Amino acid sequence: DTAVSQTPKYLVTQMGNDKSIKCEQNLGHDTMYWYKQDSKKFLKIMFSYNNKELIINETVPNRFSPKSPDKAHLNLHINSLELGDSAVYFCASRLQVGTGELFFGEGSRLTVL
Amino acid sequence: GDSVTQMEGPVTLSEEAFLTINCTYTATGYPSLFWYVQYPGEGLQLLLKATKADDKGSNKGFEATYRKETTSFHLEKGSVQVSDSAVYFCALPRNSGGYQKVTFGTGTKLQVIP
Repeated sequence: DTAVSQTPKYLVTQMGNDKSIKCEQNLGHDTMYWYKQDSKKFLKIMFSYNNKELIINETVPNRFSPKSPDKAHLNLHINSLELGDSAVYFCASRLQVGTGELFFGEGSRLTVL
Repeated sequence: GDSVTQMEGPVTLSEEAFLTINCTYTATGYPSLFWYVQYPGEGLQLLLKATKADDKGSNKGFEATYRKETTSFHLEKGSVQVSDSAVYFCALPRNSGGYQKVTFGTGTKLQVIP
């Protein structure tokens, strides 16, 4: 069983379109994250939810809107896609307490043409 | 603010060579420190960690010692294999407002050639 799963794995779309990426974790974790990884492998945190509540919201354009219907799911919706949104988006989760290890999904590669 | 600085890559080594990837940090107090590894086409996974000064984390032949005096957590392996080719990230988790935020280094790409 995959612990943190993301769909789709690949997404190719035109500028101006709207797209969503879904994430689910079956680890029983209470905190979930979205990270963006650029072409140079730099990782930047975007959002974090704890038990469906938004707790971290970095400086991200408001075209990006996360949604957490329950603590096992965290989706990312992106409106009006731009070329600079092309990246790999990673979902991650962890227990709120404990050693703090993050468990990552395999990533969703978004290409905006 | 808290930050992590890693040596820039890529690092190219022959199989069985000795590996060091440098990582230094800036933080108040004594945070835990982590190394994550990202194999091609995959997400990051925890490689090893240390939770207090002088702790040594180890896994899969990799080691890193938490050195408070030099604020460093360098990753080492005595004999690398082709299968170790990956991107390695030093990470600093911090609690902020009761919640945890992880700061990652820029990543160091390692390529091991046979």
